Amino acid sequence: GAVVSQHPSRVICKSGTSVKIECRSLDFQATTMFWYRQFPKQSLMLMATSNEGSKATYEQGVEKDKFLINHASLTLSTLTVTSAHPEDSSFYICSAKRGGNFQETQYFGPGTRLLVL
Amino acid sequence: DQQVKQNSPSLSVQEGRISILNCDYTNSMFDYFLWYKKYPAEGPTFLISISSIKDKNEDGRFTVFLNKSAKHLSLHIVPSQPGDSAVYFCAASLSGSARQLTFGSGTQLTVLP
Repeated sequence: GAVVSQHPSRVICKSGTSVKIECRSLDFQATTMFWYRQFPKQSLMLMATSNEGSKATYEQGVEKDKFLINHASLTLSTLTVTSAHPEDSSFYICSAKRGGNFQETQYFGPGTRLLVL
Repeated sequence: DQQVKQNSPSLSVQEGRISILNCDYTNSMFDYFLWYKKYPAEGPTFLISISSIKDKNEDGRFTVFLNKSAKHLSLHIVPSQPGDSAVYFCAASLSGSARQLTFGSGTQLTVLP
């Protein structure tokens, strides 16, 4: 199988603080990881593509200085929500891509529920 | 503009019968399609995928059909089980794009016992 973990699963923080979310591929190496955000009853919205050893590529409308992404190794990517505000409250999900074949499938983590008070 | 559409927000099926979930796309450059299943407050779970060079892929109770001329794909679940109740997302990707996924809006499947 292809297992992706996220930590923490839930976090509550005060407005103005920063929150770090970790995404790990447990049994495979992921050269590319993706970060998504899901609002209630909506689809997953891609925030950024994280490549190991290089800068992340952000989707239009996503503030790179607010959502810091670091992909330091082939099994770990982190998303830091800086100076969090209540509107940042959401469900954040990462995925990791298994390489090696032409068709590459993304495997998703269990998600992190962020609540900013 | 939604490039991947799931026009049915919900579907109810009796246990043991076939569930058919539909998905349409507009970008003819998409060459790889996937179906994911998602429970509330969890990440999506990969179910099955299909390359654009095929028109059918089967894995156990799950079969995905692709009609490229109609830009349409469907997921068949036979027989449906109550544990299949979840939101199903179709997704599409294209080569040369780091395989970023474009998701549909999802269909809530409820399998009635």
